[in-house]
Amino acid sequence: EVHLVQSGAEVKKPGESLRISCETSGYSFTSYWIAWVRQMPGEGLEWMGIIYPGDSDTRYSPSFQGQVTIYADKSTSTAYLQWSSLKASDTAIYYCARPAGSGTFMQIDYWGQGTLVTVSS
Amino acid sequence: QSVLTQPPSASGTPGQRVIITCSGSSSNIGSNFVYWYQQLPGTAPKLLIYRNNERPSGVPDRFSGSKSGTSVSLAINGLRSEDEAHYYCAAWDDSLSGSYVFGTGTKVTVL
Repeated sequence: EVHLVQSGAEVKKPGESLRISCETSGYSFTSYWIAWVRQMPGEGLEWMGIIYPGDSDTRYSPSFQGQVTIYADKSTSTAYLQWSSLKASDTAIYYCARPAGSGTFMQIDYWGQGTLVTVSS
Repeated sequence: QSVLTQPPSASGTPGQRVIITCSGSSSNIGSNFVYWYQQLPGTAPKLLIYRNNERPSGVPDRFSGSKSGTSVSLAINGLRSEDEAHYYCAAWDDSLSGSYVFGTGTKVTVL
């Protein structure tokens, strides 16, 4: 059975760095894309980007390019989302997700439980 | 800044039919499959409809999707209290370097 288990909630100050994780199991980690999706408080879903762990091909939504880094560790089947300098506006729930297919055939079959990131001075 | 537009809310009484629309453009809905996700309060989203009108196993046939040009709709027949949730359309967008895009979301309330 496919599982995506995310790291726990974080409370950080503006300017601090942060890495959150998404540990996967139950499937071939290197054969599927992993996506990150943001949901700000009371708001909708926003696509941040995806990574293909098999070759580390990474693509960012234009809104998130340069703002975050997505990477994956094949040895532990874990994907990461990283910030070098957090802002208050980064406060949100972040979901990792495993799509099946690519392009027009991309459907998100599995989701992590979400990681709440709170950035406040 | 979503490129797929949905009405913010929809409502109905138990047993009624509710329809949610989602409007896009030729670079997303017009040329790609559309997916619908249901997000119950406090939970992660769940795939509800894939490839415009297909239901994953376990999704009741009360839910159906349709597409026409650059718009799609999700119909919920025989509305039930457990259908109260947010619903998001989504599709691949061929513009720029390609990206998945979500709709603005619709909150369905069961009166």
